[in-house]
Amino acid sequence: NAGVMQNPRHLVRRRGQEARLRCSPMKGHSHVYWYRQLPEEGLKFMVYLQKENIIDESGMPKERFSAEFPKEGPSILRIQQVVRGDSAAYFCASSPPREGDEQYFGPGTRLTVT
Amino acid sequence: SQKIEQNSEALNIQEGKTATLTCNYTNYSPAYLQWYRQDPGRGPVFLLLIRENEKEKRKERLKVTFDTTLKQSLFHITASQPADSATYLCALGRGGYQKVTFGTGTKLQVIP
Repeated sequence: NAGVMQNPRHLVRRRGQEARLRCSPMKGHSHVYWYRQLPEEGLKFMVYLQKENIIDESGMPKERFSAEFPKEGPSILRIQQVVRGDSAAYFCASSPPREGDEQYFGPGTRLTVT
Repeated sequence: SQKIEQNSEALNIQEGKTATLTCNYTNYSPAYLQWYRQDPGRGPVFLLLIRENEKEKRKERLKVTFDTTLKQSLFHITASQPADSATYLCALGRGGYQKVTFGTGTKLQVIP
C-alpha cells in the first residue's frame, strides 16, 4: 500500500508565478490536510478537506491560496502570484474516514520563490 | 488564545537513559493528544495517540501520559538510542471531524 504521495518534491517559482502542489492520499483515505512549515518552526495548519468538500480552511490566507480535493484525482494546493514569503515546506497528510485518527504525512514539497 | 508549548531548546541525553519530553497547553480542551516524530527533510510520522479519559499509554519503549488537570502530556523514551534522535511533535484534537493543532516540537539528540 503506497503512502501519501506529493509532487513535485521541489518547486522553484519566480515572484508573481503560480505554484500548484499535488497530494495523493493513501488508498482508502478520504480526508486530506495541508500544512506549511518554515525552517525550525512547527507545522501550521492550512486546510482540511474531504472529497469535494472543504471542512476547515481557517488556516488558509484569504488571498492567493486555494485548495481542492476533487472526486477523482489528487488534492491540489494552489498559490497564485507567489511572493518570497511563500517559500516553505508544504506537507500533505491523509487519514481514514474515522474521527480523531492519526494522520499519515507525505514527504512534502519544498517551494522556493526567487 | 490557544497555545501549545513544547521545550523550545534541544534536549541532549546520553544513550541508554530515559528521555522525557513535555507538551503543555492552555485555552484548549482536547479530546485526544498525539505524538509524532519528524526527521530532517521528511514528513512527521505518527507514534502514539492518547484520549482524554486515558492516563497512560505504552508502545514498546515509548510511554505517554496525559494529565487534563495540569494540561500536560509527557512523552518518555526509555533505553534511548542514537536512532531516536529527531524532532518530536505533540498535536491536540477536539474530536469529531476537526483539525488537530501541532506544537512547535522538541529536538532530541541522543549521544552515544
